[in-house]
Amino acid sequence: DQQVKQNSPSLSVQEGRISILNCDYTNSMFDYFLWYKKYPAEGPTFLISISSIKDKNEDGRFTVFLNKSAKHLSLHIVPSQPGDSAVYFCAGRGYNFNKFYFGSGTKLNVKP
Amino acid sequence: DAGVIQSPRHEVTEMGQEVTLRCKPISGHNSLFWYRQTMMRGLELLIYFNNNVPIDDSGMPEDRFSAKMPNASFSTLKIQPSEPRDSAVYFCASSLGTGQTEQFFGPGTRLTVL
Repeated sequence: DQQVKQNSPSLSVQEGRISILNCDYTNSMFDYFLWYKKYPAEGPTFLISISSIKDKNEDGRFTVFLNKSAKHLSLHIVPSQPGDSAVYFCAGRGYNFNKFYFGSGTKLNVKP
Repeated sequence: DAGVIQSPRHEVTEMGQEVTLRCKPISGHNSLFWYRQTMMRGLELLIYFNNNVPIDDSGMPEDRFSAKMPNASFSTLKIQPSEPRDSAVYFCASSLGTGQTEQFFGPGTRLTVL
């Protein structure tokens, strides 16, 4: 029972263009959403988050958009850089504030 | 701070053997999480502890899996007996505690059960 889904296992983008990674969730009780980035042979690292009371959060080249009615969030990376090539996980935080539900990840490849 | 430390980084074992994965959380963090990453299911939570107490183990796949946290600086995840389908990368993560939005992950242990 996956409450967070990332339907695109991979994405390839040219350097300098926009990368858009998508995530859908089923649990309307999630209060926070997060994106993590993972390089090979390393653990995931926190990238950006958004509260359920907001619809947008921006941090430099990274922007997360939340559409609660559609139960959908997306991560935009502009401009994309080769160093952004990694696996990106989205996650929703459950009602008990400690349990995170992760998606299966999207592997982003930014081509030079 | 050294971050979350996991050992071993790689483990290759034969079916039926006992496997023990170890984790040292970041000092001062009150919550500890064990995750498993597979191609099919992505990153799934197995169990988490708060102040050394197991809070939710609903993600533990079966009785062959057990986890302990005897003190604030050490946790183990044990699989006995191991099976080939347990092959995955196991991550430990810690956070400051309830309500924190960020978890800090260790580098993971890649387990291969032959």
